[in-house]
Order: sequence, then C-alpha cells, then structure tokens
Amino acid sequence: DVKVTQSSRYLVKRTGEKVFLECVQDMDHENMFWYRQDPGLGLRLIYFSYDVKMKEKGDIPEGYSVSREKKERFSLILESASTNQTSMYLCASRTIMGQPYQETQYFGPGTRLLVL
Amino acid sequence: TQLLEQSPQFLSIQEGENLTVYCNSSSVFSSLQWYRQEPGEGPVLLVTVVTGGEVKKLKRLTFQFGDARKDSSLHITAAQPGDTGLYLCAGTFSGAGSYQLTFGKGTKLSVIP
Repeated sequence: DVKVTQSSRYLVKRTGEKVFLECVQDMDHENMFWYRQDPGLGLRLIYFSYDVKMKEKGDIPEGYSVSREKKERFSLILESASTNQTSMYLCASRTIMGQPYQETQYFGPGTRLLVL
Repeated sequence: TQLLEQSPQFLSIQEGENLTVYCNSSSVFSSLQWYRQEPGEGPVLLVTVVTGGEVKKLKRLTFQFGDARKDSSLHITAAQPGDTGLYLCAGTFSGAGSYQLTFGKGTKLSVIP
C-alpha cells in the first residue's frame, strides 16, 4: 500500500515564526502536492513538484515556499507564519496511468496548523 | 480555473436511508474521481470514472458518469453510520495541463444511528 506520512498531526506556532511541514512518500512517485483545506473553500493547491528540485506554483502560493531535495520528501515552508495561514495542510503524491488518462492522488493524514 | 460544483453541501440522514450527491461542471472531464475524507484524516480515493455513461459499484455505493462527461453522481443505498464523512469529487479537464486535479468543495454527510 502507498504510504504518505506527514511530520506532525497538530502544530501550534506564533505569528512570525518559520514553519516547516514535512511529507514523505514510500512509492517512488515523481509528483507530489501540497494543499490547504479550509471550511467552505475546499482543497486549494499551494505548490506541486513533478520531480526532484522541480516545483510549480499552484493556486495560492503566496506566503509559502517548498523544497524537494529527495524524491520521497516534499517540504512546505511558511517563511513568516500569519494567522490567516491557520488551516489543515494536506500532502499528496500521485500516480498516472496512460490511455485514457487517469491519475490517483494518495494523501497523508494532514497537519492541522494553528497560528496564534 | 475550472470549477466543480457539488451538491448538497451538507446532508444529514437516518441510518438505512438512501442518498445521492452530485458533481457538476460546465467543462468536459477527462476523468473524474470520488474521494471520502473522514474527520482528522486525508481523503481516500473511492473510484475513478473515465467513460461517458460509465457506472461503477463499490458495495452500497454506485457512481455514475454523465454521458457528456460534465457531471457525476454518487448514490449510497441503506446508509450506515460508517458512511459519515466528507465526499469530494475531483476532476481533470480535457485540454487542461495534466498537473492539476480540481476538487469540489465537498458534501458533508452525517448518518445518524
């Protein structure tokens, strides 16, 4: 079974702190994603990575950065945490099948971040 | 940005009842997926549909993909408390870049014993 793990289930940080969220997958997937999930807004894509050292902005990248130094690990960084970054953060890795195009995203359990 | 509309947003039913939730878009899906997310956990894939008119069954869950590939439904027969959770549809769109899966906002289902 695919396993995606996230470093913390719950985090409490103060405004202005630098926050690191770590995600590790064990299936050698090339593609990995970071989302945030907020009530009434659904899942919104922050950043994704389609290979080591490759990254692309998603829909809401402002205030975040990412790092992908190894294939299995994708880190989300909040450079200076703010209260509006309080949210549930979900990491996912993806497999793709060819014709017809199908993808499956495997999610981690999420990190619930509270910024005070 | 492509949009997926899910309805209803909330659903509370008694154990044993049937229910249907819907996912719609104005654009054509290349493929569509349904996920279930339990409280405090990440979403888990239930099914992927790719062919217009396709019907897939997973025990008491029946998934339909519209003929025009712009809509989908999830029907649950004889709902049980274990079905409680957030149901998300997610799609990839014809002609769109292959890197983004677009999610609906979800239907939050509560099945009361």
